[in-house]
Amino acid sequence: DVKVTQSSRYLVKRTGEKVFLECVQDMDHENMFWYRQDPGLGLRLIYFSYDVKMKEKGDIPEGYSVSREKKERFSLILESASTNQTSMYLCASSFPLGNQPQHFGDGTRLSIL
Amino acid sequence: EDKVVQSPLSLVVHEGDTVTLNCSYEVTNFRSLLWYKQEKKAPTFLFMLTSSGIEKKSGRLSSILDKKELFSILNITATQTGDSAIYLCAVYNTNAGKSTFGDGTTLTVKP
Repeated sequence: DVKVTQSSRYLVKRTGEKVFLECVQDMDHENMFWYRQDPGLGLRLIYFSYDVKMKEKGDIPEGYSVSREKKERFSLILESASTNQTSMYLCASSFPLGNQPQHFGDGTRLSIL
Repeated sequence: EDKVVQSPLSLVVHEGDTVTLNCSYEVTNFRSLLWYKQEKKAPTFLFMLTSSGIEKKSGRLSSILDKKELFSILNITATQTGDSAIYLCAVYNTNAGKSTFGDGTTLTVKP
């Protein structure tokens, strides 16, 4: 079974802090994704990556950056956390091609105070 | 800009009812439409649809795609409380290399 593991289930940080969210997958997937999920807004794509050291902006990349130094790990970085980044963050991975389902982690509920 | 619209946004039914969830889309370079179920945690994959008119079925759940009218439906028959979840629809854009998700339909099944 595919496992996508996010490092924290809940996280509380302060405004202005640099925040790291980590995601690891064990299925050798090329593609990895970071989404945020807010009530009534569905899943919105922040960044995604096709391969090691590759990254592509999603629909809402402002205020975020990512790092993919190893194939199995994809990190989301909030450079200077703000209260409007309080959200549920979901990581996903998949094989390439569009006809492959994404496998999701359990999410990190991040609160910025 | 790609767009996926799900309706209704929320739905409350009783056990045993049949429900139909809708997903319409405007996506350039369409490749596939996927349905996911999200309970407390991670969304889990239900169906992937690529061709019009071919029903995918799994137990009490079924789904079909209409590529001419640009929509899909997800049917759940004889609903159970365990069907309570957010149902997400996503459409993959081949050229962009990414999926666009709808806002989801929150289904509540009461005993």
